[in-house]
Amino acid sequence: AQKITQTQPGMFVQEKEAVTLDCTYDTSDPSYGLFWYKQPSSGEMIFLIYQGSYDQQNATEGRYSLNFQKARKSANLVISASQLGDSAMYFCAMREGANDMRFGAGTRLTVKP
Amino acid sequence: EPEVTQTPSHQVTQMGQEVILRCVPISNHLYFYWYRQILGQKVEFLVSFYNNEISEKSEIFDDQFSVERPDGSNFTLKIRSTKLEDSAMYFCATRGGYNSNQPQHFGDGTRLSIL
Repeated sequence: AQKITQTQPGMFVQEKEAVTLDCTYDTSDPSYGLFWYKQPSSGEMIFLIYQGSYDQQNATEGRYSLNFQKARKSANLVISASQLGDSAMYFCAMREGANDMRFGAGTRLTVKP
Repeated sequence: EPEVTQTPSHQVTQMGQEVILRCVPISNHLYFYWYRQILGQKVEFLVSFYNNEISEKSEIFDDQFSVERPDGSNFTLKIRSTKLEDSAMYFCATRGGYNSNQPQHFGDGTRLSIL
């Protein structure tokens, strides 16, 4: 069964605007972590942000923030003030308890000048 | 900042041959992983390795695949009798400790092309 779902294969955003990339997940484990990674066209995987299931506040890292809605099992990534360099694939991932990380299918973000 | 290093960056191999992909983890990391990404598709978990043994493997990781850490530094993925469908980017990732909040740090990947 699909544990991580990213429903947006592609997204477009105007430079300097904010964009939200969706991620929903499925788990019965009360202890889990949610991660977002960026994969530019060069191929490397870059860690962006983490949210723990017990965290009371939404995670933020610079222009990245995570809109964590636990009851809805969603962990959407918000990128504020988009830049051309933000154009990339974005992957949501989850680790349940001590298990290993699993990734969603990804969303390709294109920032338009 | 410490990095995960993968070699080679690109490997071209004839179908049926064996390949070994190498990874040098971040020095104090304890958990090691291999992932595969077929061009344009999602990142797929292959195997995790801790304390010199496999801790979890996916259904993709069949008898064709093996991992080892022969000298305490390199972490290798061996693919025997390669097939065309093994063509993909292979990522090594490592993680420092047990805490679930620690991200996995990825190497830049090895692009494997099977001819």
